[in-house]
Amino acid sequence: DAKTTQPNSMESNEEEPVHLPCNHSTISGTDYIHWYRQLPSQGPEYVIHGLTSNVNNRMASLAIAEDRKSSTLILHRATLRDAAVYYCILLGNYGGSQGNLIFGKGTKLSVKP
Amino acid sequence: DTAVSQTPKYLVTQMGNDKSIKCEQNLGHDTMYWYKQDSKKFLKIMFSYNNKELIINETVPNRFSPKSPDKAHLNLHINSLELGDSAVYFCASTGGVPTGELFFGEGSRLTVL
Repeated sequence: DAKTTQPNSMESNEEEPVHLPCNHSTISGTDYIHWYRQLPSQGPEYVIHGLTSNVNNRMASLAIAEDRKSSTLILHRATLRDAAVYYCILLGNYGGSQGNLIFGKGTKLSVKP
Repeated sequence: DTAVSQTPKYLVTQMGNDKSIKCEQNLGHDTMYWYKQDSKKFLKIMFSYNNKELIINETVPNRFSPKSPDKAHLNLHINSLELGDSAVYFCASTGGVPTGELFFGEGSRLTVL
């Protein structure tokens, strides 16, 4: 699985949008971009994933660059509960075999009231 | 209902002992994983099982032995516990990657004294 690069930490104010960047310049054509987050003392939690097109769900939006070498997770209105470590992970399609999520260091998001 | 449940949540034991951590998922998934998160918060995959068969076995000491009695359960047995085994162990399951998501348990914190 290809490597991703994320800032170590970011800060946001409550109720403001947050843009969490991720670089993945060595992404292959079949790699999906997954985002997970881990709240303090909890297990990782799925946020969103995409392949080529931008994606929206109830938690966040995922903006994928046209060349797919970078992506941005967008939290539209940060809440205190969104304070967590956010992981950007590439996952390849191995045609039936089960890939595994390789977690990097992630971005620690702090949300100020 | 908890989707992925692990027991026990906390486990404190002496070096040299043998212990087990149990994991159950009620999502009907075929694939289950064990991840280890060390004191530096790095999450690393240990094992992956698909339909009771071992798929991924990362570089893990053979003191660690996963057992899958059925596809809803993946237990982790650890022999001759060492200080370095102290960590939080997370179980996860998926209906299929990379198009699907992983569901993680809340973790089992193992402390070896």
